[in-house]
Amino acid sequence: EAQVTQNPRYLITVTGKKLTVTCSQNMNHEYMSWYRQDPGLGLRQIYYSMNVEVTDKGDVPEGYKVSRKEKRNFPLILESPSPNQTSLYFCASSPVGAYEQYFGPGTRLTVT
Amino acid sequence: GDSVTQMEGPVTLSEEAFLTINCTYTATGYPSLFWYVQYPGEGLQLLLKATKADDKGSNKGFEATYRKETTSFHLEKGSVQVSDSAVYFCALRSSRNSGNTPLVFGKGTRLSVIA
Repeated sequence: EAQVTQNPRYLITVTGKKLTVTCSQNMNHEYMSWYRQDPGLGLRQIYYSMNVEVTDKGDVPEGYKVSRKEKRNFPLILESPSPNQTSLYFCASSPVGAYEQYFGPGTRLTVT
Repeated sequence: GDSVTQMEGPVTLSEEAFLTINCTYTATGYPSLFWYVQYPGEGLQLLLKATKADDKGSNKGFEATYRKETTSFHLEKGSVQVSDSAVYFCALRSSRNSGNTPLVFGKGTRLSVIA
């Protein structure tokens, strides 16, 4: 089944404790992206990647890192999480030039 | 920069009522326009799209027409069902760059349909 998977789905952590949210797609898509969803703000892009080893900042990259060492994986790294990073995070992928993006199920992160 | 404005929710309708969710956009050139739907506990799914002026996107009884003169892409459905309860996002992709330019989303409109 073609899909985008994210792990974990739910995470509660404390301020300053490094964490990684994984994202993997099995559709051989070149493009991958991370969004955060907050009430009243909709979805905002954090980082995106056009292909392996090619990443770029989105609208709200502060406090996040990404890497793209393999085509199928695009992990989101929070080196020192803070409470304002409490949010619902979505990973998405698509072929280059395609209109539709395929979204993962989301990761709900709470930083206390 | 590019932006999308959609009507504030929540919207509560009775089953079989007519639905309109307004969406207007600001962008240079000729963006592609989308409606995504998010069902409870799930990620976003593409509902419909339109890539040029006067195009009509349609899917599952939903329709939206790309109106360049009014920079709008309103979502409509003639008769909603309880299963349509979800959050609906209007989005655009700029035409300025080749490849995958980021999607710009509206803030979302929550629809609740009651039997």
